[in-house]
Parts: sequence; C-alpha cells; structure tokens
Amino acid sequence: DADVTQTPRNRITKTGKRIMLECSQTKGHDRMYWYRQDPGLGLRLIYYSFDVKDINKGEISDGYSVSRQAQAKFSLSLESAIPNQTALYFCATSDERTGFEQYFGPGTRLTVT
Amino acid sequence: RKEVEQDPGPFNVPEGATVAFNCTYSNSASQSFFWYRQDCRKEPKLLMSVYSSGNEDGRFTAQLNRASQYISLLIRDSKLSDSATYLCVVNGRSDSGGGADGLTFGKGTHLIIQP
Repeated sequence: DADVTQTPRNRITKTGKRIMLECSQTKGHDRMYWYRQDPGLGLRLIYYSFDVKDINKGEISDGYSVSRQAQAKFSLSLESAIPNQTALYFCATSDERTGFEQYFGPGTRLTVT
Repeated sequence: RKEVEQDPGPFNVPEGATVAFNCTYSNSASQSFFWYRQDCRKEPKLLMSVYSSGNEDGRFTAQLNRASQYISLLIRDSKLSDSATYLCVVNGRSDSGGGADGLTFGKGTHLIIQP
C-alpha cells in the first residue's frame, strides 16, 4: 500500500462548488503539506502543518483552507471553486528524522469548469 | 533573480550519452539541496541529496558550488528510463513567510532519452 494517499485522484467540478481533497499517510510523519502544480509554474506551496495543532499559510493560500484532523490526515478545501484553481494538487509529508526530504502522494487532478 | 532557476529544456539526448543540468539559486543562506525526479503526471520523488563535497549514486553525480550558487546533476550512460523532468530543490527561503522547511522547487528540466 502507498505511504501517502490522496482522494479523489481526479475530479471535475463547477465554478462556485465547494470541494475537499483528502490526504492520508501511514509514514508517521508530523509534517504535512499541500502543493499545486501548474504547467510552466512548478510546485507552489498552499498550506503546511507541523502537527495537529499547527496550520500555516504557504505561498498561495488565498481561496483555500485546510484541516489537520489527525497526525495522519490533512485535507484541503476549496470553498468556492474557480476555473483558475484547475491544477494538479499534491500532498506531501516529512519528518525531522528524514531531514528535509518530502514524500509526495500520487496527486489529484482537479478541473473547475 | 528567481529563487531557483532551471533551463526547462527539453534536452533531447541519445541513449548512452552523458547529460548535465545546472540549477542556480538566489538565497545564499540555503543549506540543503536536492534533485527530485518527476515522471509525466506522477508525483515528484527524491533522486538524491546534494552534498557540499559532491556525491555520486550509480550513474548520477551531483555537485554544489556555493560560491557561484549553482547545483549540477550529471547522468552518465543515459537510459530510456531516465526520461523525466528533473526538479532542483533548495531549502532556505529568502522571505520569512515561506514554507515550513523552506523548500523551493525549480520548475524542472525536461529530459528525453532517444533510442
């Protein structure tokens, strides 16, 4: 089984809809991250969390919110989806013991029409 | 100057050839450096860390030049399976509001190995 899983893997939604992307990990890592990837722009950090009680904004947090329900779960919400949020979304984890190496989930391809 | 800059390519290289990529970074306080590999529509995966003295892992060699603030990746005897996008990753953001571990990802260099 994969160490970092994301659901759904693909989603098409309409402008204005609320959508939640979920991430789970079995690595026992404290730190979790949400990134989006757009062609030509690379990976950009949306939110990150060092532990269950810690939530921090990343480079591009506007229009997104997150919830760290447990050490193993970190969800990303789009309260009112818009077309320019169409992207590939990755969850990642890391831990002090692994240094700065981050382990990524398989990604969620989101299309907002 | 962009935080982490890479030539996007694509680099079209015949199988068996040697290919090298460079990456430059802007934050002189950066402490950790990595190369990640990303296959099309897949997640990035760590290829190798980059150490100050340079390091080698099989056909792959990574080097760091702190004075000039660049990192290189050399692939020898390239294989068809090396075709991917290679991401240069640096920690230590220049802005205090940056990410947790301060990892900044380059946009990647696209490598195509041709038979």
